[in-house]
Amino acid sequence: EADIYQTPRYLVIGTGKKITLECSQTMGHDKMYWYQQDPGMELHLIHYSYGVNSTEKGDLSSESTVSRIRTEHFPLTLESARPSHTSQYLCASSGSALGGLNTGELFFGEGSRLTVL
Amino acid sequence: RKEVEQDPGPFNVPEGATVAFNCTYSNSASQSFFWYRQDCRKEPKLLMSVYSSGNEDGRFTAQLNRASQYISLLIRDSKLSDSATYLCVVNGADSWGKLQFGAGTQVVVTP
Repeated sequence: EADIYQTPRYLVIGTGKKITLECSQTMGHDKMYWYQQDPGMELHLIHYSYGVNSTEKGDLSSESTVSRIRTEHFPLTLESARPSHTSQYLCASSGSALGGLNTGELFFGEGSRLTVL
Repeated sequence: RKEVEQDPGPFNVPEGATVAFNCTYSNSASQSFFWYRQDCRKEPKLLMSVYSSGNEDGRFTAQLNRASQYISLLIRDSKLSDSATYLCVVNGADSWGKLQFGAGTQVVVTP
């Protein structure tokens, strides 16, 4: 099993609240990602990080922000939640590309399912 | 045009039958290819990598056709537990190698 953890697993919150979704991995991976996925729909990359103090926006525009102060930790924050933010948020990590087999394998957390009322 | 395209299905497959489906990618410089499996309301998990010469893992066979820019997945002797969405994933050509996910092909194996 992958050692990547997300909390909370489920969150129901009112509009305007600030939320932080936590993601931690114990594999020492340098690359970490946040994906957003609606039920039955495809994954959309919203943020990624090469390593500590490195963050980039993904393919899908998102009002969320991320930080990478420690290798193992990649939290996602929404300053003011809205109903349009209702979705599942999946955190993932991968090791450096070393030219070996399975290069680029992503390990996903179980996801944080957010509902904004 | 999406970078990675898949037939969404569903592919309804009788137990024990064979099913195969493709995925096309637009970036001819893509270097690495994968199939992930995602069960309903679960996170994606790596099923297998796809190598240039094609590769097999038990009942699963993956092929890569660089000339036509597609990869395929074949499942033999389908089991009920094979019911899932299969995601085609392509590694970009840049040094960072950001992964591009397809929308997935749903497979439903019926008794």
